[in-house]
Amino acid sequence: NAGVTQTPKFQVLKTGQSMTLQCAQDMNHNSMYWYRQDPGMGLRLIYYSASEGTTDKGEVPNGYNVSRLNKREFSLRLESAAPSQTSVYFCASSEEGAGGTEAFFGQGTRLTVV
Amino acid sequence: GESVGLHLPTLSVQEGDNSIINCAYSNSASDYFIWYKQESGKGPQFIIDIRSNMDKRQGQRVTVLLNKTVKHLSLQIAATQPGDSAVYFCAPYSMIKAAGNKLTFGGGTRVLVKP
Repeated sequence: NAGVTQTPKFQVLKTGQSMTLQCAQDMNHNSMYWYRQDPGMGLRLIYYSASEGTTDKGEVPNGYNVSRLNKREFSLRLESAAPSQTSVYFCASSEEGAGGTEAFFGQGTRLTVV
Repeated sequence: GESVGLHLPTLSVQEGDNSIINCAYSNSASDYFIWYKQESGKGPQFIIDIRSNMDKRQGQRVTVLLNKTVKHLSLQIAATQPGDSAVYFCAPYSMIKAAGNKLTFGGGTRVLVKP
């Protein structure tokens, strides 16, 4: 059971380059999330998707776009990378049940923009 | 948006002592609270949760206390071990669909266990 899988694990970009971070979950969860975590800081929500076909902005959406390709996959795109986007990016998925909700996280993508 | 105390304090604890990690939240619509543990280089992992109709919930060596009146919750770790060294996040959540079901996190607390 893979859980949440993110690719790539590491990436170095030059300022202005674009790239897409991939995320897939195999738990049949409806909700998926993208967060960024700067050094020594907490997790900030970039975008989330409550269900297939829907996406909503989080706390820090500027400079990013997302696509909920299907129920399994939720990608994050940087159209023109900036040094301020150097961070660790986490994807998560969750399913709300009667008892509550638990989010499962991927291992993260460490992105450096030079 | 949700304000969950965005500081990232560090708590140094002697091995074997108890740890208490605090979290304040501001959204009155929050009715479900989750604690996550993040070890270095890894993604966060679920520790324990509590619904708003409860004041206390216990797990294995962990206890979460919820005070809805002052919008505060705490995570207590008994007999702290070296493996407890990590960053701990609280995540208030609203089960009300109209709230958007966004899962947001506070700044977290770094726990360092001294041998």
